[in-house]
Amino acid sequence: NAGVTQTPKFRILKIGQSMTLQCTQDMNHNYMYWYRQDPGMGLKLIYYSVGAGITDKGEVPNGYNVSRSTTEDFPLRLELAAPSQTSVYFCASRQTANNYEQYFGPGTRLTVT
Amino acid sequence: AQTVTQSQPEMSVQEAETVTLSCTYDTSESDYYLFWYKQPPSRQMILVIRQEAYKQQNATENRFSVNFQKAAKSFSLKISDSQLGDAAMYFCAYRGYGGATNKLIFGTGTLLAVQP
Repeated sequence: NAGVTQTPKFRILKIGQSMTLQCTQDMNHNYMYWYRQDPGMGLKLIYYSVGAGITDKGEVPNGYNVSRSTTEDFPLRLELAAPSQTSVYFCASRQTANNYEQYFGPGTRLTVT
Repeated sequence: AQTVTQSQPEMSVQEAETVTLSCTYDTSESDYYLFWYKQPPSRQMILVIRQEAYKQQNATENRFSVNFQKAAKSFSLKISDSQLGDAAMYFCAYRGYGGATNKLIFGTGTLLAVQP
C-alpha cells in the first residue's frame, strides 16, 4: 500500500493565483482531513470529510475549498492565493473506528509571494 | 473547546540519557485519546504512542512511555536511552471519543535535540 500520497511536494504561487493540492489514499478509509502547519506551530484543521460526498469545515477553512467525489481522493483548492496561506499542508486519513490512528501524507510546502 | 499545551518549545538530551516532554490539555469530556507524534526533518508525521483515557495503565512502546495523569490533565512522554534518530519535533495531540469527526487537536510542539 502507498498509504496517503500528496502532490505536489513543493509549490510557489503568486498572489491571486489558484491551485489544487491533491491527496489520495489507498486504504479505503472513510475519514480524510486537511491540515496546515505554520512555522513553529502545530497542525490546524482546514476541512474534513467523513465519506464520499460529505465535507465540513474545520478550524481554519477561509480561503479554501474541498470536494470528495470518491473514497480515495480529497483535493484541496486555493482560489485566490494570499501570503497568509504560505504553510505546509498535510492530508490525513483514518478508519471509522474510534481507536484507529490517523495516517498522514508527506506534506506539501506552499509559498505564496 | 479542547486545548493542548506544550510549554517546552525546545529540549536537549545527551545520547543514551532519558528525557521527558510535557503536555497538558483541557477538556470537559471523560472519554478521549491522547497521542504523541514525532515529526523529523522529513516532515512526515509519525505516531509514537497512544493512550486511551479510560485505561489507567500508562502506555509503553519500546523506549517510549507516557505518564498519564487524568485528574491533572497531564500527558508527558518519556524517552529512554535517547538515540540520535530521536531528534525531531514532538507534538502532543488530543482527540475526543465521541462525535462524527474525532478531530485531532495539536499542541505547538517541542523540538528535541539529541547531543552525541
